[in-house]
Amino acid sequence: DAGITQSPRHKVTETGTPVTLRCHQTENHRYMYWYRQDPGHGLRLIHYSYGVKDTDKGEVSDGYSVSRSKTEDFLLTLESATSSQTSVYFCAISESVGGQFNSPLHFGNGTRLTVT
Amino acid sequence: LAKTTQPISMDSYEGQEVNITCSHNNIATNDYITWYQQFPSQGPRFIIQGYKTKVTNEVASLFIPADRKSSTLSLPRVSLSDTAVYYCLVGDGNDMRFGAGTRLTVKP
Repeated sequence: DAGITQSPRHKVTETGTPVTLRCHQTENHRYMYWYRQDPGHGLRLIHYSYGVKDTDKGEVSDGYSVSRSKTEDFLLTLESATSSQTSVYFCAISESVGGQFNSPLHFGNGTRLTVT
Repeated sequence: LAKTTQPISMDSYEGQEVNITCSHNNIATNDYITWYQQFPSQGPRFIIQGYKTKVTNEVASLFIPADRKSSTLSLPRVSLSDTAVYYCLVGDGNDMRFGAGTRLTVKP
């Protein structure tokens, strides 16, 4: 398996509190992604990064921010958690994208976040 | 972004070949077709990727007709451990979107 570590694996927090999830990779891949997975919605892209300090929004970015100060770390922050953000969050990495160099996503094992 | 449509669920028996078809009528010229497998409490895992015709690896085959408006993932001789959700993705670039997937149940 690709070297991807998500932390924490489980977290329970209260509405209105800030939460930061961490994704750490040892593959030196350029691209990193945050997805959330909910019943009935499958996996939805929150934000992604295409290099250090280079990030962009995905399909469901409202209420989330990200940062990537080092190649190996991609942080997802919920500034003020809400119950609708209760979900399983997956980090993924990719070596390259586009055309004949399109490489697949490799996923971590997820963080289960519960907002009460 | 190309939208994908897959059957919600499929049942099979051990030892059978399973074919899961994905429709992607508005696939773009540069889009690749990628399939993932997901077990409960795990992240999706890459199975196979292709652009056209047929691709085969050690676990599956991917058939893509000339018009590329659909693709079929073929799993030979499935076992109980192949019970999982299978996702078809179509795209080229960073904004890869997952559909609802196909829940495959393999029975003894």
